Amino acid sequence: GENVEQHPSTLSVQEGDSAVIKCTYSDSASNYFPWYKQELGKRPQLIIDIRSNVGEKKDQRIAVTLNKTAKHFSLHITETQPEDSAVYFCAASIFLGGAGGTSYGKLTFGQGTILTVHP
Amino acid sequence: DAGVTQSPTHLIKTRGQQVTLRCSPKSGHDTVSWYQQALGQGPQFIFQYYEEEERQRGNFPDRFSGHQFPNYSSELNVNALLLGDSALYLCASRGSGTGGYEQYFGPGTRLTVT
Repeated sequence: GENVEQHPSTLSVQEGDSAVIKCTYSDSASNYFPWYKQELGKRPQLIIDIRSNVGEKKDQRIAVTLNKTAKHFSLHITETQPEDSAVYFCAASIFLGGAGGTSYGKLTFGQGTILTVHP
Repeated sequence: DAGVTQSPTHLIKTRGQQVTLRCSPKSGHDTVSWYQQALGQGPQFIFQYYEEEERQRGNFPDRFSGHQFPNYSSELNVNALLLGDSALYLCASRGSGTGGYEQYFGPGTRLTVT
């Protein structure tokens, strides 16, 4: 089955610096890659995602890049702020066939990265 | 729009007991998945329901079972609880229409088995 590796496990940066989190996946059939932010005691929240027909996607200070050949994707956060401190999870999903969201299967998550942004 | 809701918020059970957790999907969503998140780890997929049928299942024993109702809400049942079942149980929903690949999580149910 699919396996997702995430690095680093912890990341500490100064406010205003950039942060990069990297993930690799094993199943070349995976073609949907979301990133979730989880604050302590709260639910995972979708912050950005990318599908395999796109190499890069950006949303304000957050961007995700995908290299399907190398089977890795990365989250980039620029101009970090203390409120960016949280656990970040990458995930991968395989297209099962058919149309619509149900055609995507389970999410396989990475182990998570604890990001700490120091003021 | 209330988003994905789950009940109860917290639950304490004894080994060997049975538990039922409940989930209501986000308005307009018809596909529900359940995940188990142990402390300090990423969520692990349990199963996914669509049109009241289990569509996909993760590597969990038969003690874990589920159900989806005609209104798309879902239940997760765990029998013969073990200490290792203590975790945060997350429900996630998505739509089945075009572009409905985004999955949204509920707040979770924290299960403690003693």
